[in-house]
Amino acid sequence: DTEVTQTPKHLVMGMTNKKSLKCEQHMGHRAMYWYKQKAKKPPELMFVYSYEKLSINESVPSRFSPECPNSSLLNLHLHALQPEDSALYLCASSQEAYEHTDTQYFGPGTRLTVL
Amino acid sequence: AQSVTQLGSHVSVSEGALVLLRCNYSSSVPPYLFWYVQYPNQGLQLLLKYTSAATLVKGINGFEAEFKKSETSFHLTKPSAHMSDAAEYFCAVSGKNTGFQKLVFGTGTRLLVSP
Repeated sequence: DTEVTQTPKHLVMGMTNKKSLKCEQHMGHRAMYWYKQKAKKPPELMFVYSYEKLSINESVPSRFSPECPNSSLLNLHLHALQPEDSALYLCASSQEAYEHTDTQYFGPGTRLTVL
Repeated sequence: AQSVTQLGSHVSVSEGALVLLRCNYSSSVPPYLFWYVQYPNQGLQLLLKYTSAATLVKGINGFEAEFKKSETSFHLTKPSAHMSDAAEYFCAVSGKNTGFQKLVFGTGTRLLVSP
């Protein structure tokens, strides 16, 4: 099973709301990633978790708060977002975060709209 | 910093024609290179990757790519296009000089296939 699942598929939220995105994988991977993809743009890395510890934060605003409760689960907590944060949020996983040849497996994404 | 450049934001071919999507890399050290495909409203799927084992890399769905150091290129080809190949294609590089795998994507090429 090489599947990464993400919920919800779509999310609409106001600027004062608090919501969470969820990502799950059962491939035994020890690295998990969050990417942000704006329309007609490539994905941009936001966070990297390795063995459930935050390893890379690409200067992401604090209104995005990642969490890795266990090796299979990755959350992205959202608070006080701006309309420009509207995008497709992709989760990915790979065997090891420090192995540069590993394949990253992507989920289908959560399409977020901030009103 | 390592980067990739994809020439042509859109490529149009007829069904059965050769597909050629261009990717050039910029790196001070031999890079690891990836091609991903993204179908509408979906996540990314790995087509193939170059990990320095062989310069000609064969991937899924009949795609292949050749790593050419002299040209700093990693172009993606398929001998005969199929309607189902219509999608967005991203070239990506993963640097050896960073502690963790950080995929940096090109701007993408949309492949259009006409009957």
